[in-house]
Amino acid sequence: DTGVSQNPRHKITKRGQNVTFRCDPISEHNRLYWYRQTLGQGPEFLTYFQNEAQLEKSRLLSDRFSAERPKGSFSTLEIQRTEQGDSAMYLCASSLEGGGYEQYFGPGTRLTVT
Amino acid sequence: SQQGEEDPQALSIQEGENATMNCSYKTSINNLQWYRQNSGRGLVHLILIRSNEREKHSGRLRVTLDTSKKSSSLLITASRAADTASYFCATVYGGSQGNLIFGKGTKLSVKP
Repeated sequence: DTGVSQNPRHKITKRGQNVTFRCDPISEHNRLYWYRQTLGQGPEFLTYFQNEAQLEKSRLLSDRFSAERPKGSFSTLEIQRTEQGDSAMYLCASSLEGGGYEQYFGPGTRLTVT
Repeated sequence: SQQGEEDPQALSIQEGENATMNCSYKTSINNLQWYRQNSGRGLVHLILIRSNEREKHSGRLRVTLDTSKKSSSLLITASRAADTASYFCATVYGGSQGNLIFGKGTKLSVKP
């Protein structure tokens, strides 16, 4: 399967703990995006990378959130000191370079903070 | 904030009928894309229409774009039960680097 993969698919954590999610994009895509989706809403943009460079961050991405894409391949999204409001589906997408291309989404990681 | 607004929020039809969903947006765009999401799953790209295009077809899907009204519509013809899903429009606005701005979606239910 050469689609976008995300791990884990589900994560339950206690408030205050740190969590890390991983995204593996389609191999020839140099753009990688992170979105967050809460129940009944559309996805909201968090951040994106072109190769290993993080080029844009939404103001939704508080200081507790950090994303990396070492070597321009897979990416990780870490949330420190999780809060109940962080409970959401975290979606990763990849695309070819430029804003004129469709994005291919992974299945998402559903985070529940108790 | 979310730029797109889909209308209606929910739509229930019988198999074989056509389904039309509308999307309005606020600022000038580079392109507009439609995605489908089955319950609890990731999004599947359906169709992309560029700002200089007015209509696009893909199988049973037809998308129109009216940049003067800042609106788009998605028509699904001869719907099937398997089309049951949420449908989102997403825009890439003119000054952006490609990140998508989604609406809240239309929940389509197709009854067999």
